[in-house]
Amino acid sequence: AQTVTQSQPEMSVQEAETVTLSCTYDTSESDYYLFWYKQPPSRQMILVIRQEAYKQQNATENRFSVNFQKAAKSFSLKISDSQLGDAAMYFCALISNFGNEKLTFGTGTRLTIIP
Amino acid sequence: DAGITQSPRHKVTETGTPVTLRCHQTENHRYMYWYRQDPGHGLRLIHYSYGVKDTDKGEVSDGYSVSRSKTEDFLLTLESATSSQTSVYFCAISEYTGNTEAFFGQGTRLTVV
Repeated sequence: AQTVTQSQPEMSVQEAETVTLSCTYDTSESDYYLFWYKQPPSRQMILVIRQEAYKQQNATENRFSVNFQKAAKSFSLKISDSQLGDAAMYFCALISNFGNEKLTFGTGTRLTIIP
Repeated sequence: DAGITQSPRHKVTETGTPVTLRCHQTENHRYMYWYRQDPGHGLRLIHYSYGVKDTDKGEVSDGYSVSRSKTEDFLLTLESATSSQTSVYFCAISEYTGNTEAFFGQGTRLTVV
């Protein structure tokens, strides 16, 4: 079984500052993908960033970057220069590339941006 | 935007009645998923499909069944709705390639009274 744990139900950050959201996971597979999804009040699920487990280099997408620690099974999301539009629920997710392709989500972190 | 639609978008039903939610995709993706979203629980997997007529249970499958008779449609049925099944339901699709990503429908808000 694979699991994803997000231990921060809520986080807040001052506009223009940097915030890091935590995620740990567990899987017996050696090849897998990790994701961060954003869900604004519209309920739409938006992919923020993706990391392939076999890639040692941390993924980055503009102001969003990850710290992928494979041995520690940790996958944190860093948001730089936080903007009001970043306010949302953020979900960490995991899928193994082989086997049952079950896509598993964490419980989410609600991010508030303070103007 | 990926072609994935859920219907209905909102539904109110009575306890004990059967309910079917539909997920339709135009992307020809192999994998389809049904999740429910509840405060404090994130997205929990109900059932998923890895091909036509190939389905498997997720972590919260009790009281739900699914069917996939063709690639584009994945149906979720609540056999006898209960108040604990009041939730927002999401369908997702995916095709695992070098640009793996799951695409989501808009969600269905189901209220069981």
